[in-house]
Amino acid sequence: NFMLTQPHSVSESPGKTVTISCTRSSGSVASYYVQWYQQRPGSSPTTVIYEDNQRPSGVPGRFSGSIDSSSNSASLTISGLKTEDEADYYCQSYDNSNQGVFGGGTKLTVL
Amino acid sequence: EVQLVESGGGLVQPGGSLRLSCAASGFTFSSNWMSWVRQAPGKGLEWVANIKQDGGEKYYVDSVKGRFTISRDNAKNSLYLQMNSLRAEDTAVYYCARGGVFYYSWGQGTLVTVSS
Repeated sequence: NFMLTQPHSVSESPGKTVTISCTRSSGSVASYYVQWYQQRPGSSPTTVIYEDNQRPSGVPGRFSGSIDSSSNSASLTISGLKTEDEADYYCQSYDNSNQGVFGGGTKLTVL
Repeated sequence: EVQLVESGGGLVQPGGSLRLSCAASGFTFSSNWMSWVRQAPGKGLEWVANIKQDGGEKYYVDSVKGRFTISRDNAKNSLYLQMNSLRAEDTAVYYCARGGVFYYSWGQGTLVTVSS
């Protein structure tokens, strides 16, 4: 199996842009879609990015996803930060074994 | 609107059993892979198991193989997780999710506590 590594925490000011990275340990990040989930305290996760860079309806355009084959990583970028964006963010992918794998999660603080 | 409503959680002693249920609505249940994902208190998300549309394929995380069984009833739009030989480390909120290897929708979760 493989692992997805995220920074434990990031912080940024309202109105700024923040990027959260997610590095895949083995297997090509380009071969398997990456998803990003937002989890606010006390709530269930919600999907903010699926299939690397697609936004579900209702997710603001301030959220974007990308992958970088050279570093075998994915990124979630949130621009125009709002206090409501403060949450835990998890990347997630899979491999040919049909098993999902989550990153350890990144706590975003907007201060 | 997609809705996933879990039930069946509670307090159980180590070695005991519990059956979780998930009632689905707002989408064509029989056309979707379904999954269970759990989250231990203060910890991250962990995929537990998934099941194909017709129930013909099932996959489990290594830590629950031989103890947990995922199943579904497409006539009732319902997903299940039978959990046997429960351990303290199985204590978590268990989420039902639409999707097999990625998750479009999530339920509100049901808490399972394994303790004597």
